[in-house]
Amino acid sequence: SQELEQSPQSLIVQEGKNLTINCTSSKTLYGLYWYKQKYGEGLIFLMMLQKGGEEKSHEKITAKLDEKKQQSSLHITASQPSHAGIYLCGAANSNFGNEKLTFGTGTRLTIIP
Amino acid sequence: GAGVSQSPSNKVTEKGKDVELRCDPISGHTALYWYRQSLGQGLEFLIYFQGNSAPDKSGLPSDRFSAERTGGSVSTLTIQRTQQEDSAVYLCASSFLSPLHFGNGTRLTVT
Repeated sequence: SQELEQSPQSLIVQEGKNLTINCTSSKTLYGLYWYKQKYGEGLIFLMMLQKGGEEKSHEKITAKLDEKKQQSSLHITASQPSHAGIYLCGAANSNFGNEKLTFGTGTRLTIIP
Repeated sequence: GAGVSQSPSNKVTEKGKDVELRCDPISGHTALYWYRQSLGQGLEFLIYFQGNSAPDKSGLPSDRFSAERTGGSVSTLTIQRTQQEDSAVYLCASSFLSPLHFGNGTRLTVT
């Protein structure tokens, strides 16, 4: 079965600083999803990457998928308190759509004012 | 509502009791998923429904766990004879193609 490893497990960053979270797969990724979770809430979809070398941005968050499609990074520029939460990467088991996702254990991000 | 709705939001039960957790997916979403999130753990896949196909039950941890999806819409996850290790947040998600849309979860505490 596919395993996803996220690093770091937790991250404390001063407001305004940049940060990067990594997600590494034991197998080729058919689709890589980034979600954010706040305490007591469900997961909020951030971005989906499918093609090797793909990069997507939304506001101050940029996600990349490497050429080999086994590693993804999530980069936040000029972090804000609203970025705090748990970031999870999820991988699709195929490229057929509507497939269950396997998730990493998450990265807990704390932003210090 | 526009999102995935789960009820109850919190449930405290005594060990050995049965519990039912409900999920109302987004209208039109053909796929429905149940995941479990334990403290300090990632999301653990439990079961997946896709249209009228037989559900993928490969993630159910024991035969005490079962789930139904009636009329291709609402789903109920049932845990029989609850144990303390069942304490977790149970998350439901639905989708039509990608991505998965999650509900806020049911926090289950077994005392």
